[in-house]
Amino acid sequence: NAGVMQNPRHLVRRRGQEARLRCSPMKGHSHVYWYRQLPEEGLKFMVYLQKENIIDESGMPKERFSAEFPKEGPSILRIQQVVRGDSAAYFCASSPTGGLNTGELFFGEGSRLTVL
Amino acid sequence: GESVGLHLPTLSVQEGDNSIINCAYSNSASDYFIWYKQESGKGPQFIIDIRSNMDKRQGQRVTVLLNKTVKHLSLQIAATQPGDSAVYFCAENIDFNKFYFGSGTKLNVKP
Repeated sequence: NAGVMQNPRHLVRRRGQEARLRCSPMKGHSHVYWYRQLPEEGLKFMVYLQKENIIDESGMPKERFSAEFPKEGPSILRIQQVVRGDSAAYFCASSPTGGLNTGELFFGEGSRLTVL
Repeated sequence: GESVGLHLPTLSVQEGDNSIINCAYSNSASDYFIWYKQESGKGPQFIIDIRSNMDKRQGQRVTVLLNKTVKHLSLQIAATQPGDSAVYFCAENIDFNKFYFGSGTKLNVKP
């Protein structure tokens, strides 16, 4: 059973370009979370999605950032018109159930975005 | 050795010693906590969790202690090994669907 798969692992973009980060949750998991991590900092919640629904996007910037989790295919975190401050590691996590009281939150290896 | 705080301090211990990593959480309403281990260049891995109706929970070589009075959480690692070297995060679950992570403590195990 493969774990959470994220790609690309590393992405370099110039200012103003678009970045698309993909996350395939573990098999059987229908809940996906995106977190952002700056160097030497903890993870910051961005968005929580279920299939075809955004449940909580309170941690995601209102502009330039969007996320989706379609019925078929991976979840995608999209950053438009990237700026240098978007450089970070973006982690996806999945869970078989909503409400994280079970502790069953499995993280991918992350996508590291560098904006030149 | 011990470390305190959420600003990525570094704890250096000798192989075989016990390690204690501390965490002060922010919200008295938090009812569920998890310790994660993150190795360089990798995603966080679940270590152990504890609910607010408990004050201690043990796993394999790890123990988590929860003191709700002072909003303090600690992770104890027995007989620390080089493979334990990583950054350790505590995370508190306040809302139904998200965790708040501390900044982490870097554990450096010297052989």
